[in-house]
Amino acid sequence: GNSVTQMEGPVTLSEEAFLTINCTYTATGYPSLFWYVQYPGEGLQLLLKATKADDKGSNKGFEATYRKETTSFHLEKGSVQVSDSAVYFCALSDPPGGSYIPTFGRGTSLIVHP
Amino acid sequence: DVKVTQSSRYLVKRTGEKVFLECVQDMDHENMFWYRQDPGLGLRLIYFSYDVKMKEKGDIPEGYSVSREKKERFSLILESASTNQTSMYLCASSSGQGDNSPLHFGNGTRLTVT
Repeated sequence: GNSVTQMEGPVTLSEEAFLTINCTYTATGYPSLFWYVQYPGEGLQLLLKATKADDKGSNKGFEATYRKETTSFHLEKGSVQVSDSAVYFCALSDPPGGSYIPTFGRGTSLIVHP
Repeated sequence: DVKVTQSSRYLVKRTGEKVFLECVQDMDHENMFWYRQDPGLGLRLIYFSYDVKMKEKGDIPEGYSVSREKKERFSLILESASTNQTSMYLCASSSGQGDNSPLHFGNGTRLTVT
């Protein structure tokens, strides 16, 4: 079956530091890949997605590239801000015709200090 | 803007009570989901529904039931609340089947059972 593995947190950084949160996956077929973000006291919201190999999703300064050869979708940001403090979830969903139930990683907490 | 609304942000209930958690979406989505979120365990799927009056068990359905009488509304029911059901509950919706559409989440209901 499908699975998503994320690096364990918390990840603690100073403002303006470079961020990487690792995500690897196992899936049959050709899944779509997502990053969701959960700010304190809120539900999850989509941050970015990629639907095919070598696609780069980007939003709010965050980027992730769909690497089929390494089955990875690592999240990066060049300069984090205190407002980026949140929990980040990597997820995948099957291609069209497959299951509509996404598979989530366990989440990685990011804490950014001023 | 798309919206998933959960009726309560915080609930406190006593052991043995019947508890209803309500979720409404305004996006005409076919799929709706109930998750619980606990520290260190990530998101765990309780139930999902892919159409009106249709429901399927997720990973942890024991102690829960659901109702979907209208397309926009998906209710989670705790027949007899227990302290181990104290958790954050998240409702989500998505369109179609395996079409790469992301999930849209509500802001969550934090339930405490005493």
